[in-house]
Amino acid sequence: GENVEQHPSTLSVQEGDSAVIKCTYSDSASNYFPWYKQELGKRPQLIIDIRSNVGEKKDQRIAVTLNKTAKHFSLHITETQPEDSAVYFCAASTSGNTGKLIFGQGTTLQVKP
Amino acid sequence: DTGVSQDPRHKITKRGQNVTFRCDPISEHNRLYWYRQTLGQGPEFLTYFQNEAQLEKSRLLSDRFSAERPKGSFSTLEIQRTEQGDSAMYLCAWVTDTQYFGPGTRLTVL
Repeated sequence: GENVEQHPSTLSVQEGDSAVIKCTYSDSASNYFPWYKQELGKRPQLIIDIRSNVGEKKDQRIAVTLNKTAKHFSLHITETQPEDSAVYFCAASTSGNTGKLIFGQGTTLQVKP
Repeated sequence: DTGVSQDPRHKITKRGQNVTFRCDPISEHNRLYWYRQTLGQGPEFLTYFQNEAQLEKSRLLSDRFSAERPKGSFSTLEIQRTEQGDSAMYLCAWVTDTQYFGPGTRLTVL
């Protein structure tokens, strides 16, 4: 079945620096890739997503890139702020935005002021 | 909280007891998912419904687990004879343009 690997497991950056989180997926039929941010004790919240017909998507300080050939996708956060500190999860689906999501193991991002 | 409510938000039970969780979409959503999230891990798919039909169940969903969605509205997840390994956050998710998670029910099995 589908498997999603996420790296690194922890990431510490200085405020203002960029952060990059990478994920690889196993099922080449995967066609939808959302990213969720989860703060302590709260639910995962969608921050950005990308479909397989797009190579890159940007929303203000957040961008996601997708390399279908290599089966990996990455989250890029620029000009990090302390409020970006949280756990980030990537996910993949083979049935578009309505299909079941297979999640990565998560990355704990710490932004130091 | 918008989109879906979950009840209870926290549940502490003793091993061997049965528990039931409820997920109430605020508006009509054809597709509804259940996930389980243990500490330090990403959510894991358990099952999903298309209206009232349960279309897929994960291997994680042992015989002790059962889910229903009568009339295609709210959904319930029951765990029978709970075990300590069942301790987790149980998340309900609904689908519009993507999947949005409810606040979850945190289960602690003593």
